[in-house]
Amino acid sequence: KQEVTQIPAALSVPEGENLVLNCSFTDSAIYNLQWFRQDPGKGLTSLLLIQSSQREQTSGRLNASLDKSSGRSTLYIAASQPGDSATYLCAVGTGAGSYQLTFGKGTKLSVIP
Amino acid sequence: EPEVTQTPSHQVTQMGQEVILRCVPISNHLYFYWYRQILGQKVEFLVSFYNNEISEKSEIFDDQFSVERPDGSNFTLKIRSTKLEDSAMYFCASSEYPYENTEAFFGQGTRLTVV
Repeated sequence: KQEVTQIPAALSVPEGENLVLNCSFTDSAIYNLQWFRQDPGKGLTSLLLIQSSQREQTSGRLNASLDKSSGRSTLYIAASQPGDSATYLCAVGTGAGSYQLTFGKGTKLSVIP
Repeated sequence: EPEVTQTPSHQVTQMGQEVILRCVPISNHLYFYWYRQILGQKVEFLVSFYNNEISEKSEIFDDQFSVERPDGSNFTLKIRSTKLEDSAMYFCASSEYPYENTEAFFGQGTRLTVV
């Protein structure tokens, strides 16, 4: 059974700092990996999708990498801003006959002005 | 920008009652999903739906749950005889492609409170 772990559970950084969020998964047989942002009491906003054949994806200040063989992904956020404060969720796409996402518990990020 | 829309945003129901959670997926998407998140816990997969039938369901998705696409735009989750432990945020998601190319887009969620 696929398990997804995110470290750290919470992170507090001063504004402007670069930071890395970590995600690990137990089964490397994945279709893809998706990073989401979740604001308190809100839905999930897709940030980046990395297909299993890709190594990284970039969107603005965000860069996500994938090392499928070692079961790891990182989300790099450059020049953090207070508006980046949210919970960041990592999810891997798997499924034998269909497709489903298995989520980590998330990293709660606070960017201090 | 197209988005997944869920209604209601919050529903309170009494234990044992039936609830229907509604979703309007992105219009050109073919694959639909329901997930739930119990407060403080991980987001969990419930069911996937394609071509008017269930593709896969988790062990959570027992006979108490059902899904339906009653028309060309809506996708619903029905929970019969709700229990206290059904209290959670329920998310609908949709995607245009399957498998490796799947990028799932989620709605804002329906917070279900069973009292």
